[in-house]
Amino acid sequence: IAGITQAPTSQILAAGRRMTLRCTQDMRHNAMYWYRQDLGLGLRLIHYSNTAGTTGKGEVPDGYSVSRANTDDFPLTLASAVPSQTSVYFCASSSGGADTQYFGPGTRLTVL
Amino acid sequence: GQNIDQPTEMTATEGAIVQINCTYQTSGFNGLFWYQQHAGEAPTFLSYNVLDGLEEKGRFSSFLSRSKGYSYLLLKELQMKDSASYLCAVVDSNYQLIWGAGTKLIIKP
Repeated sequence: IAGITQAPTSQILAAGRRMTLRCTQDMRHNAMYWYRQDLGLGLRLIHYSNTAGTTGKGEVPDGYSVSRANTDDFPLTLASAVPSQTSVYFCASSSGGADTQYFGPGTRLTVL
Repeated sequence: GQNIDQPTEMTATEGAIVQINCTYQTSGFNGLFWYQQHAGEAPTFLSYNVLDGLEEKGRFSSFLSRSKGYSYLLLKELQMKDSASYLCAVVDSNYQLIWGAGTKLIIKP
C-alpha cells in the first residue's frame, strides 16, 4: 500500500510556465488537501476537496487551481508560475471532518 | 484573526524531558493535532486531543486545556532521532486545520 504519492519530487520552472503537481492516494479517503510550506511559516492551505466532484478555496488560493474528477487524484495546477510560488508543496488526505490528515512526501518547486 | 503560537526553537539533552507549548486563538475548536516533521520529510501524525486532559502514548504525551487555549507536547527519554520540528494544528469551525509555524527541537548528546 503506497498511501499517498506526489510527483514530481522536485522541479525547477521558468516564470510564466504552466505546471501541474500530481497527487494520488489509495486509502479511499474522501477529503484531500494541498498545502504550501515556507520557511518560518506554518503550513498554509491552498485548496481542498471534501469529496470527489467538489473543491474549495483555502487560505492562499490565488494563482492555483485544482480538480477532483475521482476519489484518488487531486492535481494542483499553476497556470502561470511566479517566483513567489517557490515553495514545498504537500498533498494530504483524510476521511474528512476532524480526522487525521496523512501527507504525501512533498514536491519542492523552484520558480526562476 | 486565527493564530497559533509555539516557540521557534528549543534545545534539550538526550535522555531528558522536554515540553513544547502551543497557544491558540481560532474561530471555533474541533480538536488539536501534534505532528512531527523531520527535515526534508512530510509531517507525520503524533496525537489528537479534543477533550481537556492528558493523552499518553509511549514516550510522548499531549495535554489540552480548551478554556486556556493551550496545549503542550511532552517528550520523555529523549533520543537523537527526536530531533525534528513539531507542528501544532487546530481544527477550526470549518473543519480546516490552522497550523503553527512549528518548533524545531535540537537534541544534544
